[in-house]
Amino acid sequence: EVQLLESGGGLVQPGGSLRLSCAASGFTLRTSAMTWVRQAPGKGLEWVSGISDDDFTTHYADSVKGRFTISRDNWKNTLYLQMTSLRVEDTAVYFCAKEGPNNYFDSWGHGTLVTVSS
Amino acid sequence: EIVLTQSPGTLSLSPGERATLSCRASQSVSSRYLGWYQQKSGQAPRLLIYDASRRATGIPDRFTGSGSGSDFTLTISRLEPEDFAVYYCQQYGTSPLTFGGGTKVEIK
Repeated sequence: EVQLLESGGGLVQPGGSLRLSCAASGFTLRTSAMTWVRQAPGKGLEWVSGISDDDFTTHYADSVKGRFTISRDNWKNTLYLQMTSLRVEDTAVYFCAKEGPNNYFDSWGHGTLVTVSS
Repeated sequence: EIVLTQSPGTLSLSPGERATLSCRASQSVSSRYLGWYQQKSGQAPRLLIYDASRRATGIPDRFTGSGSGSDFTLTISRLEPEDFAVYYCQQYGTSPLTFGGGTKVEIK
């Protein structure tokens, strides 16, 4: 069974940094494209970033480009999202998700809450 | 960026009724790369439909996806109590990947 478990969320001041982790089990992380999606309180879903199965390609939403970095450690079966220069509008629950063959999101973690506030 | 517009914003129906949810794209969605997700309060989204009309593993056949080009529909043939939730469409054919704003299906 595919399981994804996010961690690393918390309260951070504007301008601060945070690294989110997503521990994967039940499948081979290194052969799967992965993504991060966020959801601001009471709002809809927003795609944030994705990484290809071969690690050669990463994509970012314009809203986070230059501030967030997606990466993974296949030995630890863990996906990461390094977030810097955080803004109040980055406040959201961040979900990691596994991508299916055509880049739809077929498995999701339960999310970790990031709150950016002074 | 492809903008997805979902309608209606809220659908008030009774169990056993049929639900029809619409998702309209600002431009044609490549290769019918359109998915539907269900999200219940406090939970992660769950994939229902991918490639416009293919049911994900374990999804009951009362959920049907249809459409092509820029117009897509999710139909729930007979609403069960567990189907009351928010539904999102998503296109994954063109970067950036985008979601619609969601349709809430609530109990009338």
